[in-house]
Amino acid sequence: EVQLVESGGGLVQPGGSLRLSCAASGFTFSYYEMNWVRQAPGKGLEWVSYIYPSDSSIYYADSVQGRFTISRDNAKNSLYLQMNSLRVEDTAMYYCARVYRTSDGILRLDYWGQGTLVTVSS
Amino acid sequence: QSALTQPASVSGSPGQSITISCTGASNDVADYNSVSWYQQHPGKAPKLIIYGVNNRPSGVSSRFSGSKSGNTASLTISGLQAEDEADYYCSSYTSSNTPHWVFGGGTKLTVL
Repeated sequence: EVQLVESGGGLVQPGGSLRLSCAASGFTFSYYEMNWVRQAPGKGLEWVSYIYPSDSSIYYADSVQGRFTISRDNAKNSLYLQMNSLRVEDTAMYYCARVYRTSDGILRLDYWGQGTLVTVSS
Repeated sequence: QSALTQPASVSGSPGQSITISCTGASNDVADYNSVSWYQQHPGKAPKLIIYGVNNRPSGVSSRFSGSKSGNTASLTISGLQAEDEADYYCSSYTSSNTPHWVFGGGTKLTVL
């Protein structure tokens, strides 16, 4: 059974840092592209960052570029999001999501974790 | 990285059908078949219900179906049931500029 379990959220002051983790199980983590997606309280989903299996390609939303860093440790089946210079508007539930890519190039975010809540407030 | 456009809310009675639209641009929904729909109940993670425009993952009811015409994708739920009441989000992968996903703002479905 595919499982994604996020951790590391919490309350942090503006300007502070947090490191989120996503522990993967039930599939060969090193084969899959992964994403972070967030959802502010009462708001919609927002894509945050995307990483390929071997760190060969990494992409960020404009809203977090230069402040957040996505990484992965395939030996530990784990995905990370280092968040620096946090702002009030970064307050959200953060989800990790697996990418499934079919042979004909169709992509989907097929499994999501339960999320970890990040609150940025003074 | 513009968002897709969905109606804020739709409603229907049990047994009826409803359709939720999702309008994008020429460089996302129109250009890619990686259009997905997610169902989210309060306090829960999003759940994939449609992928590749009109495909259902194993275990998802056949009452859910998807389609696309030009830059607009649609989700239809037939035979509405009380448990269908949830938020629904469309999404499209795009490699315009850099690879990323765009999401709709979400549609709250109320089953009357």
